[in-house]
Amino acid sequence: GQQVMQIPQYQHVQEGEDFTTYCNSSTTLSNIQWYKQRPGGHPVFLIQLVKSGEVKKQKRLTFQFGEAKKNSSLHITATQTTDVGTYFCAGPSDSWGKLQFGAGTQVVVTP
Amino acid sequence: DAGVIQSPRHEVTEMGQEVTLRCKPISGHNSLFWYRQTMMRGLELLIYFNNNVPIDDSGMPEDRFSAKMPNASFSTLKIQPSEPRDSAVYFCASSLGVDKNIQYFGAGTRLSVL
Repeated sequence: GQQVMQIPQYQHVQEGEDFTTYCNSSTTLSNIQWYKQRPGGHPVFLIQLVKSGEVKKQKRLTFQFGEAKKNSSLHITATQTTDVGTYFCAGPSDSWGKLQFGAGTQVVVTP
Repeated sequence: DAGVIQSPRHEVTEMGQEVTLRCKPISGHNSLFWYRQTMMRGLELLIYFNNNVPIDDSGMPEDRFSAKMPNASFSTLKIQPSEPRDSAVYFCASSLGVDKNIQYFGAGTRLSVL
């Protein structure tokens, strides 16, 4: 079945530094979504990418969908303590709305 | 809209007891999902419904787990009898379904089985 893999699993970042987390699917995706879960919180939808090669920005966050629509990346510029949390990517798994979530990248920011 | 509402937020129970978790999806959403999250296993999909009908329950770990959706605005996840290994955070999420698959999560129920 479809698998969605994320790397790295953990990311320790110094405040002010940039970092990138990657998401790879075993199958071509019609779209890919990113969610953020703060410590003690619940996953919150950030963005959806639909087109091949699409790039979207949200302030310091840049999301990219690969040309083959099998991979995606999230790049955070000038990391802040508010960026702490786990970032999940997810792709559609069937026609009923089911999503296949990656295992997530847990981000820890050191002041 | 109030978003997805789950109750209770916290539940502490003893092994062998029945536990019922409740979820009210966002009005107008056609799909509802139950997830379990633990440190060891991450976010696992247990079961999901579309138009109140269970579509896939292959993630339900054992017969001790059951879920119902009697109407479009309410769903329950029941564990009977509960065991310590069921301790986890249980999330409910809803979406418009089919091609509109962005999921909106509730705040979760933190379950501790002693």
